[in-house]
Amino acid sequence: GENVEQHPSTLSVQEGDSAVIKCTYSDSASNYFPWYKQELGKRPQLIIDIRSNVGEKKDQRIAVTLNKTAKHFSLHITETQPEDSAVYFCAASKHTNAGKSTFGDGTTLTVKP
Amino acid sequence: DTAVSQTPKYLVTQMGNDKSIKCEQNLGHDTMYWYKQDSKKFLKIMFSYNNKELIINETVPNRFSPKSPDKAHLNLHINSLELGDSAVYFCASSQGRGNGQPQHFGDGTRLSIL
Repeated sequence: GENVEQHPSTLSVQEGDSAVIKCTYSDSASNYFPWYKQELGKRPQLIIDIRSNVGEKKDQRIAVTLNKTAKHFSLHITETQPEDSAVYFCAASKHTNAGKSTFGDGTTLTVKP
Repeated sequence: DTAVSQTPKYLVTQMGNDKSIKCEQNLGHDTMYWYKQDSKKFLKIMFSYNNKELIINETVPNRFSPKSPDKAHLNLHINSLELGDSAVYFCASSQGRGNGQPQHFGDGTRLSIL
């Protein structure tokens, strides 16, 4: 089955700096890659996603890049703010797998004011 | 209006008891899921239903039994609760069969076994 590895497990940055979280996946048939943000005590919420026919997608301070050949995708957050502090999860799924998403183990991002 | 709602929010009970968690979504989605998030924050899928049909059944003890009376509801019943069942359980839903669709999560049910 699909295996998703996420790095780093913890990340601490100064406010205003950039943060990058990387994920690799094992199944070359995976074609949908969402990122979820989970604030402390809250539910995971989708922040951005990318499909395999696209190499990069941006939404304000957040961007995701996908390298299908290398089977990795990354989340980039620019001009980080304290409210970006949360656990971030990447996930991978494929069309033929009944919507099953395999999640990475999460990255705890701390943005220091 | 809460899109995916779970009840109860907190559940504290003794080992050996049987308990149920309920989930309802008002998004019109066809697919619903149960996830377990342990103390290390890992999110692991347990079950998925599409239009009341079980489509994902991960390696979960058979003490856990999901039930979907209709596509807007997915409940989770747990028999003979064990200490290791302590976790946060999230319900989620997505459009269609979920392929290539984002998942919408409920607020979670924090289960504590004494």
